[in-house]
Amino acid sequence: GQNIDQPTEMTATEGAIVQINCTYQTSGFNGLFWYQQHAGEAPTFLSYNVLDGLEEKGRFSSFLSRSKGYSYLLLKELQMKDSASYLCAPMDSNYQLIWGAGTKLIIKP
Amino acid sequence: GAVVSQHPSWVICKSGTSVKIECRSLDFQATTMFWYRQFPKQSLMLMATSNEGSKATYEQGVEKDKFLINHASLTLSTLTVTSAHPEDSSFYICSARSRDRGRTIQETQYFGPGTRLLVL
Repeated sequence: GQNIDQPTEMTATEGAIVQINCTYQTSGFNGLFWYQQHAGEAPTFLSYNVLDGLEEKGRFSSFLSRSKGYSYLLLKELQMKDSASYLCAPMDSNYQLIWGAGTKLIIKP
Repeated sequence: GAVVSQHPSWVICKSGTSVKIECRSLDFQATTMFWYRQFPKQSLMLMATSNEGSKATYEQGVEKDKFLINHASLTLSTLTVTSAHPEDSSFYICSARSRDRGRTIQETQYFGPGTRLLVL
């Protein structure tokens, strides 16, 4: 079966760094996406990894290890507006995104 | 770039009426569009996938006669909830994907802002 495992909730302090881990199992693999979803809003695209390694984009970085079925999203210099759910979504062999419940990140001052 | 709009953003209707939701890709051509539903504090649930000019592919458990999808052009898809009932009240979100590079990253789904449907 297809499966995604992310922590349900994490708490971090404004200005700090947080790493959100994701492990996955899919039927085939065509890359992995990270989306941010604020409460009551639609998801917005953050990153796409298809090769192993780290992709850096400003305060956000995403890492992928295909052999381990593992990815993480790293958020630096946390701001209050980063409080949101973060969705790890691998793409299977049919180019379908597999969605989990995501990780709710709470930022405290 | 890669902007997707959805209209309307809010709908309140009486039970038994039909509701049409539009999804448009504003600055790219969407070869594929997706319709999702999300209940509070739950994950996104894919309802159907539609490719321009062909019939939509519905996920298991989604009634195709109740949720009519039309993907008439490369920039427009519509979802019609027919004979809506209170249990259909949810957050409906579309996404669009282009396989072309340029304004979009290949294979990436770009989401519309969503439509909140409340059926009384």
